[in-house]
Amino acid sequence: QVQLQESGPGLVKPSQTLSLTCTVSGGSISSGSYYWSWIRQPAGKGLEWIGRIYFSGSTNYNPSLKSRVTISVDTSKNQFSLKLSSVTAADTAVYYCASETPNWGWGAFDIWGQGTMVSVS
Amino acid sequence: QSVLTQPPSASGTPGQRVTISCSGSSSNIGSNYVFWYQQLPGTAPKLLIYRNNQRPSGVPDRFSGSKSGTSASLAISGLRSEDEADYYCAAWDDSLSGVVFGGGTKLTVL
Repeated sequence: QVQLQESGPGLVKPSQTLSLTCTVSGGSISSGSYYWSWIRQPAGKGLEWIGRIYFSGSTNYNPSLKSRVTISVDTSKNQFSLKLSSVTAADTAVYYCASETPNWGWGAFDIWGQGTMVSVS
Repeated sequence: QSVLTQPPSASGTPGQRVTISCSGSSSNIGSNYVFWYQQLPGTAPKLLIYRNNQRPSGVPDRFSGSKSGTSASLAISGLRSEDEADYYCAAWDDSLSGVVFGGGTKLTVL
């Protein structure tokens, strides 16, 4: 069974770049069965989709974040990563990585990481 | 402000049936599948319903989804205390070219 684990700094200074990595275990990121997404959730608030990547490198981003977001994939390490530039306090949130199963439809996030809290301060 | 609109709260007593609504538009719910997620306190969301009304393996049949036009609903029958959680709807939005979520509904089991 595929499992996901986020890693990265828990504290980022304003105007700097937030960098997170999601490690995929129990399966290959290159299998082609999934798209790989980042989703965030500010404390006490709802979910916000940040963007996704396919193992080929093809990406889709949330238009509201597109100018600041880069998602990349490293198939040799079975990892995908998120970079969010010019962060402000509004970017403070729990960040989740998740796999999306296109066979079930766009938006079917069936496997999630446990989430990692990132504070901008 | 979320693209999909959900009531902020819902409640019911054990054994009751409750429904949670999700309202969207022609560019999301009206033309794409709806998904429902359950988020227990302090945990990551869990996929409850995909393709409007399908349940992943392991999800009890007490949970059901439906869609009509630009709205969707999640129904929970035989309510249990462990169903107390936040519930989110989601869909692909053709205009935004991205996944959009509802603001979430906090379900309280009285």
